[in-house]
Amino acid sequence: AQSVTQLDSHVSVSEGTPVLLRCNYSSSYSPSLFWYVQHPNKGLQLLLKYTSAATLVKGINGFEAEFKKSETSFHLTKPSAHMSDAAEYFCGMRYQAGTALIFGKGTTLSVSS
Amino acid sequence: DAGVIQSPRHEVTEMGQEVTLRCKPISGHDYLFWYRQTMMRGLELLIYFNNNVPIDDSGMPEDRFSAKMPNASFSTLKIQPSEPRDSAVYFCASSWGRSTEAFFGQGTRLTVV
Repeated sequence: AQSVTQLDSHVSVSEGTPVLLRCNYSSSYSPSLFWYVQHPNKGLQLLLKYTSAATLVKGINGFEAEFKKSETSFHLTKPSAHMSDAAEYFCGMRYQAGTALIFGKGTTLSVSS
Repeated sequence: DAGVIQSPRHEVTEMGQEVTLRCKPISGHDYLFWYRQTMMRGLELLIYFNNNVPIDDSGMPEDRFSAKMPNASFSTLKIQPSEPRDSAVYFCASSWGRSTEAFFGQGTRLTVV
């Protein structure tokens, strides 16, 4: 079955420290992978995407993610957290061309000063 | 483009009433998705369309839910009759192409009392 698993439901960091949000996927195909961010009472905004080009993908606001096929992972990182990064983050996958975008259950990122 | 437009933004209705949620996708997009977000279940795919044709409705929870896309610029999600457990935020999203990211609307917060 095709699925996305976000390994942490909640991550807490201090401002200025690195951020790591973990995402594993299960797919029999070569998927496209995405990270979205959702601020309170807002829709989802795309942070970055992997669509079989470079395995290290850079996104907006200093975020990046690395596609590792051997580990079936697509973890999201940022070198230095900012207070404005506090939000809900969703990892998503289109496991085959023409399929729907499916998501993990989300990770809440808290940033303390 | 104004992005994906959903209406209404908030809906409060009594149990047993019919509820219709509306979505206008981004012009030129050929995929449209309906999602439901709850604390317990996260972001669930309900149904998606390609070129106005429903492709997969396996996520629709029961016969009380129905969705239509009469043309490329409009879709509806209807719940009849509504129940308190239908209370959630419903998102519409659209995309262009078979592997690209989806763009989300601001969502409709539905409360059934």
